[in-house]
Amino acid sequence: EAQVTQNPRYLITVTGKKLTVTCSQNMNHEYMSWYRQDPGLGLRQIYYSMNVEVTDKGDVPEGYKVSRKEKRNFPLILESPSPNQTSLYFCASSLEGALNSPLHFGNGTRLTVT
Amino acid sequence: AQKITQTQPGMFVQEKEAVTLDCTYDTSDPSYGLFWYKQPSSGEMIFLIYQGSYDQQNATEGRYSLNFQKARKSANLVISASQLGDSAMYFCAMREGGSQGNLIFGKGTKLSVKP
Repeated sequence: EAQVTQNPRYLITVTGKKLTVTCSQNMNHEYMSWYRQDPGLGLRQIYYSMNVEVTDKGDVPEGYKVSRKEKRNFPLILESPSPNQTSLYFCASSLEGALNSPLHFGNGTRLTVT
Repeated sequence: AQKITQTQPGMFVQEKEAVTLDCTYDTSDPSYGLFWYKQPSSGEMIFLIYQGSYDQQNATEGRYSLNFQKARKSANLVISASQLGDSAMYFCAMREGGSQGNLIFGKGTKLSVKP
């Protein structure tokens, strides 16, 4: 089944404890992206990757890191999480960054930082 | 200025009736794509329908159709024959030609289908 898989689905952590949210897609998509969703603010892009070893900042990159060493994987790293990073996170992929390529989303990771 | 505006925070519709969810957008790029996504209470984001800026006809996908009015910069989603399972948040989104693939989302409309 074609899908984007994120893990974990739920994560509760404490301020400053490094964490990684994994994302993997099995559709051979070149384009991958991370979004966060917050009430009243909608979905905002954190980082994106046009292809392997090519990553760039989105609208809200502060406090996050990503890597794209393989085409299928695009982990999101929070080196020192803070409470303002409590949010619902989505990984997404598309065939390419073209206009007509819909983003396919993972099921989301609900992160709570205390 | 907001690039995607969804003016209806919440909507109610009777089961089996049609409903229109509004979306207006703002761009100066002649090339863009418009998308609608559904987010049920379980949280996942489900792609529904796509409309390209150069498409001559309105997009349709099953019970979903897009009322695309380019001059008005609107891309309203029409759901025909509403079902209880259509109750969800609906997001309008846009990709611009020079956006490096970024999908810009509206703030969503919560649709509730009444039996």
